[in-house]
Amino acid sequence: KQEVTQIPAALSVPEGENLVLNCSFTDSAIYNLQWFRQDPGKGLTSLLLIQSSQREQTSGRLNASLDKSSGRSTLYIAASQPGDSATYLCAVKSGSARQLTFGSGTQLTVLP
Amino acid sequence: DTAVSQTPKYLVTQMGNDKSIKCEQNLGHDTMYWYKQDSKKFLKIMFSYNNKELIINETVPNRFSPKSPDKAHLNLHINSLELGDSAVYFCASSPDREYNEKLFFGSGTQLSVL
Repeated sequence: KQEVTQIPAALSVPEGENLVLNCSFTDSAIYNLQWFRQDPGKGLTSLLLIQSSQREQTSGRLNASLDKSSGRSTLYIAASQPGDSATYLCAVKSGSARQLTFGSGTQLTVLP
Repeated sequence: DTAVSQTPKYLVTQMGNDKSIKCEQNLGHDTMYWYKQDSKKFLKIMFSYNNKELIINETVPNRFSPKSPDKAHLNLHINSLELGDSAVYFCASSPDREYNEKLFFGSGTQLSVL
């Protein structure tokens, strides 16, 4: 059974800092890994999708890396802004049913 | 032009009632999902459904039943609501569940069972 863990559960940083969010998963036989952003009272927005054959994906100030063999992914956010404040969730697609398994998220607060 | 829309946003009801949550997507996707987010913020798949096949997660009580009148709609009906059903329910869609495509989520329905 796939399990996804995200550390830390919460993170508070001053504006402008670069930061790293961590995600680990127990079964390395994955199809892909996605990073999502969730704002309070809203749904999830997919930020980056990394296929199992890829090592990283970039979008603007976001960079996500994948080390499938060690069961780890990181989301790097450069030059953080208060608008980046949200909960960031990692999810992996695995198994014969190709279902997404989510972590519990990292709640990020960027202080102005 | 909301891609995935679900209604209602909030639902407060008494234990034992039957309720439905509606979901519609205008993305032309073949696959739709229902997820449950509990108080600890874990998101768990309940159902995935495409125009060919319904896949039921075996951990979901049979009080929960998805209904899809067409591939753009996937409604969730819940019978005999229990206190433990209180959660946020999210609808989502993707082009096809077989391929590695992004999911698009609705904004969620917060269900409170009293």
